[in-house]
Amino acid sequence: AQKITQTQPGMFVQEKEAVTLDCTYDTSDQSYGLFWYKQPSSGEMIFLIYQGSYDEQNATEGRYSLNFQKARKSANLVISASQLGDSAMYFCAMREVNGGGADGLTFGKGTHLIIQP
Amino acid sequence: DVKVTQSSRYLVKRTGEKVFLECVQDMDHENMFWYRQDPGLGLRLIYFSYDVKMKEKGDIPEGYSVSREKKERFSLILESASTNQTSMYLCASSTLQGPSEKLFFGSGTQLSVL
Repeated sequence: AQKITQTQPGMFVQEKEAVTLDCTYDTSDQSYGLFWYKQPSSGEMIFLIYQGSYDEQNATEGRYSLNFQKARKSANLVISASQLGDSAMYFCAMREVNGGGADGLTFGKGTHLIIQP
Repeated sequence: DVKVTQSSRYLVKRTGEKVFLECVQDMDHENMFWYRQDPGLGLRLIYFSYDVKMKEKGDIPEGYSVSREKKERFSLILESASTNQTSMYLCASSTLQGPSEKLFFGSGTQLSVL
């Protein structure tokens, strides 16, 4: 079973609109972390936002916020007032603290977001 | 500025060749990782290392090996390259300090095996 599911392979959004990118996750750990990364066409992976499983408030970083619904195992990324420069691949990722093994992140398959003028 | 540097941006090799992908980080991070990225599959972990001379298999280690002789350098080795190893390879590093520690990525190496 996939640990991270991103159901939207691609999205087209008008500039200045808000965008929600979906992410659901699967873990039996109590302690875990959720991340979002942006990958523009240049290929670099840019860290956007982090949410810990014990954090009670939704994380926010500028125009990015994470809509964390723990009971639903959902960690959607919300981008307010989208800009042309937001066009990129977006990856949701998880670190399971108690799962043993890698301290790395498990990534979803990504969502290709295109902002239209 | 913190940096993870991958030695090549593009690489073209022939089937059966031995291929070395090099990665260097200047952040004194304990952890280093190799991922491969394929369209529609996201990033998949190949190998990682917690410390010098340490290595652990990730989700897709077959056909790959790694070397970490120095803390700052982590090499991915394709012993006998095959066409199905054509992919984007991403190196990353992080500290050991806790679950919120993000990964820092290199710019990637696009490897084509002909």
